[in-house]
Amino acid sequence: EIVMTQSPATLSVSPGERATLSCRASQSLSNSLAWYQQRPGQAPRLLIYGASTRTTGIPARFSGSGSGTEFTLTISSLQSEDFAIYYCHQYKDWPPVFGQGTKLEIK
Amino acid sequence: QVQLVQSGAEVKKPGASVTVSCKASGYSFTSYNMHWVRQAPGQGLEWMGWINTVSGDTKYSQKFQGRVTVTRDKSARTVYMELSSLRSEDTAVYYCARAAASLLAYWGQGTLVTVSS
Repeated sequence: EIVMTQSPATLSVSPGERATLSCRASQSLSNSLAWYQQRPGQAPRLLIYGASTRTTGIPARFSGSGSGTEFTLTISSLQSEDFAIYYCHQYKDWPPVFGQGTKLEIK
Repeated sequence: QVQLVQSGAEVKKPGASVTVSCKASGYSFTSYNMHWVRQAPGQGLEWMGWINTVSGDTKYSQKFQGRVTVTRDKSARTVYMELSSLRSEDTAVYYCARAAASLLAYWGQGTLVTVSS
């Protein structure tokens, strides 16, 4: 089973600043990596798939990059609604596996 | 629009079973498969299993093998997840999620299952 490791566990950033979240896979995923956002009390929402393709309706301030085993989610200018937990998810191999999440909090 | 509506919260005793339903609307039911993911309080997302809505074939996480059963009723456009031999560690929010190539683009609202004596 592929192991997904996200870092950091918690990231404190001021509104308007840039946030960079990392996700590492224990083996190559090519680009079969997705990012989800989960706000308190809500279901996760798919932000990015194919490592870098934004889902319809996701603002351009969200961008994904990487391939193989190293991936990054960047939020260029944080808005209040962006403070949430972010999960990466590999869908290259069975079983699907999520990272443990990065909590993005207001500094 | 795509909607996945799950059944309501449940409280169960240890050793019991629970069945959570997920009714789909707004799309062709058999064009997409369905996954189940759970989230314990304050914890991350944990994949449980998957069903092919056409054939009924299933795959489960090794962790839940033997305790989880996912079924579907095509006429009712509904997928069911049964978890048996419940223990306190199964207290969690259970989500169904519609899959496209294992991408989970649409999620149900979640169902809280509480296991307590």
